[in-house]
Amino acid sequence: QVQLKESGPGLVQPSQTLSLTCTVSGFSLTSYNVHWVRQPTGKGLEWMGVIWTGGSTDYNSALKSRLSISRDTSKSQVFLKMNSLQTEDIATYYCAREDPGYYFDYWGQGVMVTVSS
Amino acid sequence: DIQMTQSPASLSASLGETVTIECRASEDIYNGLAWYQQKPGKSPQLLIYNANSLHTGVPSRFSGSGSGTQYSLKINSLQSEDVASYFCQQYYDYPWTFGGGTKLELK
Repeated sequence: QVQLKESGPGLVQPSQTLSLTCTVSGFSLTSYNVHWVRQPTGKGLEWMGVIWTGGSTDYNSALKSRLSISRDTSKSQVFLKMNSLQTEDIATYYCAREDPGYYFDYWGQGVMVTVSS
Repeated sequence: DIQMTQSPASLSASLGETVTIECRASEDIYNGLAWYQQKPGKSPQLLIYNANSLHTGVPSRFSGSGSGTQYSLKINSLQSEDVASYFCQQYYDYPWTFGGGTKLELK
């Protein structure tokens, strides 16, 4: 069945780079777009970016200068890297699959990231 | 970017009651709207897509309606397991944007 699972360090030092991995199963990254969405604790959802089936990417303009999304299709993994982390980046980070109808039909469990020295 | 304004921000209702949550888009999104349910400590789960289509496995007490810039999610006969936060999302235009969420509690 379709699954997505995020992994990565839960603690990042200020000004350092966040690296997260989304490992998917039950579908191919060349058939479905995968997005990253984050959620500060107790707050709303923010779309971060997407890697399209063809491998190209698009990013939230507010994060574009710091964010990079890539993938390894052979390993069914999508990667998120975001630099210059600050306390405003403390959140739970989710990857989500985009249904061909454009909404998100499956989400990962999320990984909570704290920024602290 | 399309702004999504969701109301109310919080809501308290009794078991068996009917609840309605509203979402307003800053421009016409042509039914490109989804509703998600998020229980505490869990990831969002798709309830409704295309404004009024029920996702597989979602109870029929959930329904979506609306058009243009105004959309709503209705929960009939509220159950205890419906205690959650609810978010709308537009996917008519890039970038995808979400409403601020509605926290539903039991009275």
